[in-house]
Amino acid sequence: TQLLEQSPQFLSIQEGENLTVYCNSSSVFSSLQWYRQEPGEGPVLLVTVVTGGEVKKLKRLTFQFGDARKDSSLHITAAQPGDTGLYLCAGAGLTGGGNKLTFGTGTQLKVEL
Amino acid sequence: ETGVTQTPRHLVMGMTNKKSLKCEQHLGHNAMYWYKQSAKKPLELMFVYNFKEQTENNSVPSRFSPECPNSSHLFLHLHTLQPEDSALYLCASSPGTSQETQYFGPGTRLLVL
Repeated sequence: TQLLEQSPQFLSIQEGENLTVYCNSSSVFSSLQWYRQEPGEGPVLLVTVVTGGEVKKLKRLTFQFGDARKDSSLHITAAQPGDTGLYLCAGAGLTGGGNKLTFGTGTQLKVEL
Repeated sequence: ETGVTQTPRHLVMGMTNKKSLKCEQHLGHNAMYWYKQSAKKPLELMFVYNFKEQTENNSVPSRFSPECPNSSHLFLHLHTLQPEDSALYLCASSPGTSQETQYFGPGTRLLVL
């Protein structure tokens, strides 16, 4: 069973602060996706990383895939209240898993004014 | 708006009731999914349909019965549920059978009394 542990589980910060969310596994994934889920909505894809060591930027969000493709991080610079939500990482397996994704445990972020 | 709609958005039912959840995708996708999201637990995959055929049943109790009449519609029939089945039920779709982005609906918040 491929498990994805996210840390921290909860994070409450002030507007303007920086933060990093981690997604770790003992399994290797062929690709890893990050989603954000806002209250009352389903998760929405932010980014997909595929290559070990890959770094992708989406405005103030920076995503990195570990060299061994077992872990990933999400760094947010100068957080804003609009960044509030549940952040989920999801890994696609290597062992012929077809279109199954394994979702992480989630990080609930709250950014206050 | 992700192109995936779910009805109803909220549902309260007794343990002896029978109800159905509906999901519709307007994206021309060929794969559809049911997930269960409970507090403090990772997103749990329940069922996967590819080209209207069920390809995954993740050890889901028989009180949950999926139906996929065509590639655009997915149902989850519920009967004799338990209070621990209370959760957010999310539907998702993706283009095909590889590990692409999944597009989620807003979910149905289910409360079983």
